Amino acid sequence: EVQLVQSGAEVKKPGESLKISCEGSGFRFTNYWIVWVRQMPGKGLEWMGFIYAGGSDTKYSPSLQGQVTFSVDKSISTAYLQWRSLKASDSAMYYCARAFDTSATYIDYWGQGTLVTVSS
Amino acid sequence: DIVMTQSPASLAVSLGERATINCKSSQSVLYSSNNKNYLAWYQQKPGQPPKLLIYWASTRESGVPDRFSGSGSGTDFTLTISSLQAEDVAVYFCQQYHSTPDTFGQGTKLEIK
Repeated sequence: EVQLVQSGAEVKKPGESLKISCEGSGFRFTNYWIVWVRQMPGKGLEWMGFIYAGGSDTKYSPSLQGQVTFSVDKSISTAYLQWRSLKASDSAMYYCARAFDTSATYIDYWGQGTLVTVSS
Repeated sequence: DIVMTQSPASLAVSLGERATINCKSSQSVLYSSNNKNYLAWYQQKPGQPPKLLIYWASTRESGVPDRFSGSGSGTDFTLTISSLQAEDVAVYFCQQYHSTPDTFGQGTKLEIK
């Protein structure tokens, strides 16, 4: 069974750093692109970008370029989303997901989400 | 970026009736080389992650009930639920994966009338 299990909810202060994780199982992790999607409270879905789990190629949404970093640890089938300095506006639910394949990047499996709250 | 615009923003339909949600892209998401529309539909129920319903604009994902169907080509697409069930109450999103960033529509909230 394909699963993407994300790390737990986080409460942080503005200016703090954060790294959340997404562990894949039930499929060959390194053959897929892992997508990150943001959903602000009560809002729609925002595609943040993706990372190729087998080679670390990345593509960021222009609106988020430089604000977050994607990474992967192939040895433990885990992808990460990282912030150096959080802002209150980063408060949101963050989903990791699996893109079907390189030429068809629709999302076929989703993680359960990690809620990030940034507040002073 | 390709802008995806859904209509209506919310919709109330009686049980057993048809529900229709529209999605329009700011440029074509049809690749002429393979004649495929790079358009997907997702369903998100409260407190849950989204779930894939439809890809290639009209291909139902395995396990999705056949009352859900997708149609359209180029820039105009439709998700139809032929006979609304109580469990279909959700927010529905379209997404284009023709070119990055793979943008989503703003969502359509579907409720029971």
